[in-house]
Amino acid sequence: GNSVTQMEGPVTLSEEAFLTINCTYTATGYPSLFWYVQYPGEGLQLLLKATKADDKGSNKGFEATYRKETTSFHLEKGSVQVSDSAVYFCALYQAGTALIFGKGTTLSVSS
Amino acid sequence: DTEVTQTPKHLVMGMTNKKSLKCEQHMGHRAMYWYKQKAKKPPELMFVYSYEKLSINESVPSRFSPECPNSSLLNLHLHALQPEDSALYLCASRRTGGDQPQHFGDGTRLSIL
Repeated sequence: GNSVTQMEGPVTLSEEAFLTINCTYTATGYPSLFWYVQYPGEGLQLLLKATKADDKGSNKGFEATYRKETTSFHLEKGSVQVSDSAVYFCALYQAGTALIFGKGTTLSVSS
Repeated sequence: DTEVTQTPKHLVMGMTNKKSLKCEQHMGHRAMYWYKQKAKKPPELMFVYSYEKLSINESVPSRFSPECPNSSLLNLHLHALQPEDSALYLCASRRTGGDQPQHFGDGTRLSIL
């Protein structure tokens, strides 16, 4: 069946550091891929998405590229801020199936 | 600001109480979802409604009873819950067709005494 594997962290960075959160997936066919972010005490917010190979999703300085050859969708940001501290979930969707989440990665950014 | 509105934000109830959680969206989405999320874990799917009909029930205990009165509203009726049911309950909606993402509300934090 389909699955998502992401680094669990926690990831601890200083402000302005470079961020990478790895995400790989297992699926047949061509799923859509998403990154969601959950700030403390809130629900999940869609951060970015990509629906086909080589698509790059981007939002608020975050980027992720859909790599079919490596079945990956790694999240990157060039310079993190304290306000980026949150839990990040990689997720996969195919028609007729449920949205499948990775286990989540906690990011903590200090000033 | 979330476009999926959940009420109440917090709920404390005893094991013998009956209460309901409410979810509302006005984006014209015809798929709506209930999830349960424990601390530091990803959301777990409970129920899916498609065009106001229950399409998926992920073997959820009968003490949780979903209802979709119309295309904008989703309820979750709670009765005789157990302490292990304490969690964040998230509602989501999605435009059907294609690769549309799910949009989540901020959730109801439920505590069972």
